[in-house]
Amino acid sequence: QAVVTQEPSLTVSPGGTVTLTCDSSTGGVTSGHYPYWFQQKPGQAPRTLIYGTNNKQSWTPARFSGSLLGGRAALTLSGAQPEDEAEYYCLLSCGGPWVFGGGTKLTVL
Amino acid sequence: EVQLVESGGGLVQPGGSLRLSCAASGFTFSDYWMNWVRQAPGKGLEWLANIKQDGSEKNYVDSVKGRFTISRDNAKNSLYLQMNSLKVEDTALYFCAGGSHFDYWGQGNLVTVSS
Repeated sequence: QAVVTQEPSLTVSPGGTVTLTCDSSTGGVTSGHYPYWFQQKPGQAPRTLIYGTNNKQSWTPARFSGSLLGGRAALTLSGAQPEDEAEYYCLLSCGGPWVFGGGTKLTVL
Repeated sequence: EVQLVESGGGLVQPGGSLRLSCAASGFTFSDYWMNWVRQAPGKGLEWLANIKQDGSEKNYVDSVKGRFTISRDNAKNSLYLQMNSLKVEDTALYFCAGGSHFDYWGQGNLVTVSS
């Protein structure tokens, strides 16, 4: 099964912009992988921010957006807030099974 | 209010078995694919398995194929994970998740495999 790769850690300044990416070992990520992005804070279950590349849940803050960039899935945070400090995971559909990326620890500092 | 409540975890010896349950309420359980996801202590998320609305299709990650079995009972609004031949590396917090877009998650149930 595919290995899905994310940046292990990123830092963004309050109010700044950062892009997290998600790559697949089987080739470029496409809309067919139906990329998801989840946010997880310590001691909490994950929650979906983005599904199907760029669709937001009703609870997803407007400052988060999803896209495909250079063959990768991307999550862009524009105007980072302290409460956005968390672990972020992408999830890709691999023709039946799903595969999570290793996660990106985002620090807002 | 939507709720997913996992149960059945605990301490088990290597080679043993456990059956996890996930009780769903607050949404139409039979309308959605359901999933099991786990998280080893201090590690990332790992998708394990999913099952179609009527149970006719199931998918598994390679690391649990042949050892774990996902099932559901729509009449009881419940999801299950039968785990056999457990290994130390199966120690994790096990989540059930479902909905149109992984909308709903339980709080997780801890499984510890240790001698």
